[in-house]
Amino acid sequence: NAGVTQTPKFQVLKTGQSMTLQCAQDMNHEYMSWYRQDPGMGLRLIHYSVGAGITDQGEVPNGYNVSRSTTEDFPLRLLSAAPSQTSVYFCASSYSPGGDTEAFFGQGTRLTVV
Amino acid sequence: GQQLNQSPQSMFIQEGEDVSMNCTSSSIFNTWLWYKQDPGEGPVLLIALYKAGELTSNGRLTAQFGITRKDSFLNISASIPSDVGIYFCAVPNGGSQGNLIFGKGTKLSVKP
Repeated sequence: NAGVTQTPKFQVLKTGQSMTLQCAQDMNHEYMSWYRQDPGMGLRLIHYSVGAGITDQGEVPNGYNVSRSTTEDFPLRLLSAAPSQTSVYFCASSYSPGGDTEAFFGQGTRLTVV
Repeated sequence: GQQLNQSPQSMFIQEGEDVSMNCTSSSIFNTWLWYKQDPGEGPVLLIALYKAGELTSNGRLTAQFGITRKDSFLNISASIPSDVGIYFCAVPNGGSQGNLIFGKGTKLSVKP
């Protein structure tokens, strides 16, 4: 049972570099989201998608882009990495909106920008 | 944006002790969720509450949906070392968006 798979698990970037965090789910979920977790801040929503071809901004979208070309994949792109983007990133998916059904999370990507 | 106030921020307890944590909001919600994050892992759903006043158990965990719909409580009885982690309350972000608003978490440490 793969569930939600995130790659890579760890990444170090230099300021100004770009990269893509991968997220894939095999549960045929329509709803997918990206969160970042910082100490003492909980999880904050970056971007989300309610289905293939549809994305929208969350609470902290600046510096990130997303696309949703398939139901399974929801990559998060950092266009020009900054030290403020050092964080742990989590991708989540759910079958239906809100708390109606369980949201499943990946194991996270720990990103350090130097 | 909407905020959830979760307390305490952290707890250091002895194995076997009971634990209580809570989450409050200035807004009304129709669903309250409790997640646990083990070290190095993503959050996992523990308990979902869908009705004001509801009391739901999952093993040694018990959660309550406040009558006012503005708060929720999580209790852990007879704690064990594997209870270590961060506990988050969460509520749906409204509409049909499929995402959640999280509290800042309660970090639980258990001494054997």
